[in-house]
Amino acid sequence: QKEVEQNSGPLSVPEGAIASLNCTYSDRVSQSFFWYRQYSGKSPELIMSIYSNGDKEDGRFTAQLNKASQYVSLLIRDSQPSDSATYLCAVGLMDSSYKLIFGSGTRLLVRP
Amino acid sequence: ETGVTQTPRHLVMGMTNKKSLKCEQHLGHNAMYWYKQSAKKPLELMFVYNFKEQTENNSVPSRFSPECPNSSHLFLHLHTLQPEDSALYLCASSQEDLGQPQHFGDGTRLSIL
Repeated sequence: QKEVEQNSGPLSVPEGAIASLNCTYSDRVSQSFFWYRQYSGKSPELIMSIYSNGDKEDGRFTAQLNKASQYVSLLIRDSQPSDSATYLCAVGLMDSSYKLIFGSGTRLLVRP
Repeated sequence: ETGVTQTPRHLVMGMTNKKSLKCEQHLGHNAMYWYKQSAKKPLELMFVYNFKEQTENNSVPSRFSPECPNSSHLFLHLHTLQPEDSALYLCASSQEDLGQPQHFGDGTRLSIL
């Protein structure tokens, strides 16, 4: 059973702080990794993709990947109340077809 | 219209009803997916279609019947559902290449009475 694990939270940070969201996965051969943001009652929205070890930055977001440790993280700098949402980690897997395995998500609360 | 469109947005039905959910993607993708999202549970992949062909059925009960007439349209036909089937049903699409992300529609909130 391929798994993606996330702490459900909630992770509470003050406005302006760095929020750090973590994800571990079980399938060693996975090559593609994604972070989605999901506001309450809305659908998941892709915010970051990462494919190689190291950091990838996009605005206030930085994704970090360590394949040896099977670990991917998302840093949100200068957190804003509008960042309050559930963040889903997804890992690409080739099985009978290519598909994404999702974690259960981490709920982030940014306090004004 | 852009992105992935799902209709209806909300659906309430009895256990003996038959209804269909519709999904249409305007992204030129060739893979489409149905997911179920229940409270406090991970997204559950239900079905995968690549180039209109079903490539994955994730042990979904037969009361859910998918249909993919072309690469842009996907349906989920529902009949004789159970209360535990109440959930958010999400459609997604992607390019059928390794490593591509999926793009989601707004979902259909389904309630079974």
